[in-house]
Amino acid sequence: EAAVTQSPRNKVAVTGGKVTLSCNQTNNHNNMYWYRQDTGHGLRLIHYSYGAGSTEKGDIPDGYKASRPSQENFSLILELATPSQTSVYFCASGYEQYFGPGTRLTVL
Amino acid sequence: TQTVSQSDAHVTVFEGDSVELRCNYSYGGSIYLSWYIQHHGRGLQFLLKYYSGNPVVQGVNGFEAEFSKSDSSFHLRKASVHWSDSAVYFCAVKYQGGRALIFGTGTTVSVSP
Repeated sequence: EAAVTQSPRNKVAVTGGKVTLSCNQTNNHNNMYWYRQDTGHGLRLIHYSYGAGSTEKGDIPDGYKASRPSQENFSLILELATPSQTSVYFCASGYEQYFGPGTRLTVL
Repeated sequence: TQTVSQSDAHVTVFEGDSVELRCNYSYGGSIYLSWYIQHHGRGLQFLLKYYSGNPVVQGVNGFEAEFSKSDSSFHLRKASVHWSDSAVYFCAVKYQGGRALIFGTGTTVSVSP
């Protein structure tokens, strides 16, 4: 099974601060995704990538940037974190979308 | 608008009972369908998928799902549940030309001893 790791697993940030969530996959998948999960909404797509150097906007990209510096790594960046971005964030890779364990972000 | 819906937010069953979780989608073209399980505090784990061929697909741990084009459905079933099946189950679809999976809101399954 595909291995997808995320760091950090938990993060507390202050409003207005910068937050970077990292994702790494070791199965040479071209496609990678960032979702957030909130009660009542299921998972919603924030950004995705088709390969190194590419990033595309998903359904809810506002307030988020993404970076794909290599095949293995895909980061989600919150330049100015807000309390509404408190959520659990999941990274996934591959067509079947293998998921990482998630990052719980709290913005105070 | 392409959507996927899971009509049951919460299902409670006894250990050994069968369970069916419903998933309906709205789209007439080619689709890719899948189910995921999420145990409390964990990431999503892939259970099974359907793209074409036999409409009944087998997954891990005794789960199976049946695709029905006429009903626009992809219901998940298990004949005899175990306490470890307590989790949230997500149905997901990817439409032809779609960017990524679209997820339903999930069904929480609680298995009582």
